[in-house]
This record gives sequence, C-alpha cells and structure tokens, in this order.
Amino acid sequence: NAGVTQTPKFRVLKTGQSMTLLCAQDMNHEYMYWYRQDPGMGLRLIHYSVGEGTTAKGEVPDGYNVSRLKKQNFLLGLESAAPSQTSVYFCASGESAIQPQHFGDGTRLSIL
Amino acid sequence: EDQVTQSPEALRLQEGESSSLNCSYTVSGLRGLFWYRQDPGKGPEFLFTLYSAGEEKEKERLKATLTKKESFLHITAPKPEDSATYLCAVQARGQNFVFGPGTRLSVLP
Repeated sequence: NAGVTQTPKFRVLKTGQSMTLLCAQDMNHEYMYWYRQDPGMGLRLIHYSVGEGTTAKGEVPDGYNVSRLKKQNFLLGLESAAPSQTSVYFCASGESAIQPQHFGDGTRLSIL
Repeated sequence: EDQVTQSPEALRLQEGESSSLNCSYTVSGLRGLFWYRQDPGKGPEFLFTLYSAGEEKEKERLKATLTKKESFLHITAPKPEDSATYLCAVQARGQNFVFGPGTRLSVLP
C-alpha cells in the first residue's frame, strides 16, 4: 500500500530559487494538507484542501502556494526560497476534517 | 487560542518500566484527539482517535485515555522498539488539527 507519497525526499536550494514539492495519495481522500516541522515547534499547517480544485491558508502560508488540480495530488510551491523555509515538509490526507490524517515520509529541504 | 502541550519533553525508560505521557489541551468544542508515533526520518504514524471524555483505546502495550482537559498515553512494559516521538493533536469545531510538540521516548534494553 503506497498511502501518501512525497517527492523529492531531499533537496538543497539556493536563496531565490523556486521549486515544487509533490504529494500523491491513493486512498481517495478528500482532504489534503501541507505541514512544516521544525525542531521544538511541532507540525504547523501551511495550506490545505477540502477537495479537488479547492485550497485554503493554514497557520503559516506566507511564501508558499498550492494547487490541487486532481483529487489525488497536492502540490506545494516555493516561488523564491528563503533560508527561513529550511524545514521538513509533510503532506497528509484524510477522509474528512475529523478523521485521522495519514502522512507521507516528508521532504527535507535546505535553503542556502 | 487553541493550544496543545505535551509533557515531558523527553522520557528515558528502562525496558519493562511502565510510564505515561501527557497531552493537555485548551480548545473550544473538541471533536477529536489523535495520537501519533513518529520515528526518525519518517512521517507521523496514526495510533488512536479519542472522541469523548472517558473514552479509552488500546493497542499492544499502548493505552490512550481522554478527559475534558487532557489525554494520557500509557505505555505498559515498554520495549526498545517503542522508542519514538509521540505526538498528539486535537481537532475542534471549525478548526484544523493543532499538534503538540511531542514527547521523545527512549526505552533502554
């Protein structure tokens, strides 16, 4: 069972570069989420989607954009990377707002 | 503002030494409390959902309980493979999940 798959697993960028993180889920879940995890701060929600074609801002959306053109995919974009965006990024999906979220194994992103 | 705190920040146990992890929350209209396990370099793995005060869930050596202000994750006779970071999260009416910072558990053989 693939579950939630994130690509790439690791990436190093220079300040000002752009990139897109990919998330795919095979559980037919409506809800998808992007989090960042930093030491001592726990998981913080960046953006989320409640269905195909929808997106909404979470707790820390600045500097990121998202798209959900297909139900199974949720893309996170960094238009102009900054060192403060160095983090581990997790994608998750869930059947509904109150159902458990299922996570991918993360993308480790370093911005130099 | 919704808040979730976890204690202790880190816990070191000897194999077989039972203990409990705490998750305290301040939210209005709790709809669910979730426990996750996270191994180094991996994403959080779902363990339990608790929906109402007094509810309990068990899985192998783990038992989760819920009151109106906190949840406990009881670990009975832990083994080294139980070493991980344990996260709790709450979901309140009209809100997204709010995660606690986690408890790092080390079980020594």
